[in-house]
Amino acid sequence: SQTIHQWPATLVQPVGSPLSLECTVEGTSNPNLYWYRQAAGRGLQLLFYSVGIGQISSEVPQNLSASRPQDRQFILSSKKLLLSDSGFYLCAWSARDRGFPKNIQYFGAGTRLSVL
Amino acid sequence: LAKTTQPISMDSYEGQEVNITCSHNNIATNDYITWYQQFPSQGPRFIIQGYKTKVTNEVASLFIPADRKSSTLSLPRVSLSDTAVYYCLVGEGYAGAGSYQLTFGKGTKLSVIP
Repeated sequence: SQTIHQWPATLVQPVGSPLSLECTVEGTSNPNLYWYRQAAGRGLQLLFYSVGIGQISSEVPQNLSASRPQDRQFILSSKKLLLSDSGFYLCAWSARDRGFPKNIQYFGAGTRLSVL
Repeated sequence: LAKTTQPISMDSYEGQEVNITCSHNNIATNDYITWYQQFPSQGPRFIIQGYKTKVTNEVASLFIPADRKSSTLSLPRVSLSDTAVYYCLVGEGYAGAGSYQLTFGKGTKLSVIP
C-alpha cells in the first residue's frame, strides 16, 4: 500500500532563517506531488505541484520554492522565512494513471510551522 | 475549475443522519465530485467520489442529481468522532488533462453534539 511521510511535524523558526520541509511517498511510482498551506481557520491553498522529477509548477508567487530531486521526494524550501510564512503545510500525492477514480489526493500528516 | 458552495457549519446530535449539500452550478462534463474530511491538525482524508446518481461506501453515501449542479454527502448515524471539516471539490485533474489543481474552499464544519 502507498504511504506518504512528511517531516518534521512541528517547527519553530526565527524570521530570516532558511526552511526545508521534506515529503516522501512509498508504494507508488511517478506520482503527482503537491504542497499546500493552510492558515488557521482557512481552506487549503495550493502552493506547488509536480508531475515529474525536476518539473515544478508554482501557483502562488511567494517566498517559497519547491524541488523534486527524486521521483517520490518533494521538498519545500525558503532562503529567508517571513512571519507570514507561518501555517500548516501539507504534502499530497495523486496517481498519474487515467483510470477511475480521478485525481484523488492523499495527504501527509502536515508540518505546523511557526515563524517568530 | 468549477466553484463550489457549501454551508459554513452544521450541528448534529449523535446517532442522526447528516446531509451536507454542495452547489456546483458550473460543473463541466468531465468533472467528478469528491469529498474530503479533515480533523484538526491533520491532512484531509478522501471520503468518497462520484460522477452521477448515487455512490456508497463503508463511510458515506454521495447523491448526485441528474443535472449534477449539486451533490449531497450523507453520513449515517454520526458519532462524536465525525466532528470535522468536510470539503466538496469538483474537478477532473488527472495527468495529461492539464488541470491538476483541486480547489479546497473553507468547507463545512460539522459539530456532533452528545
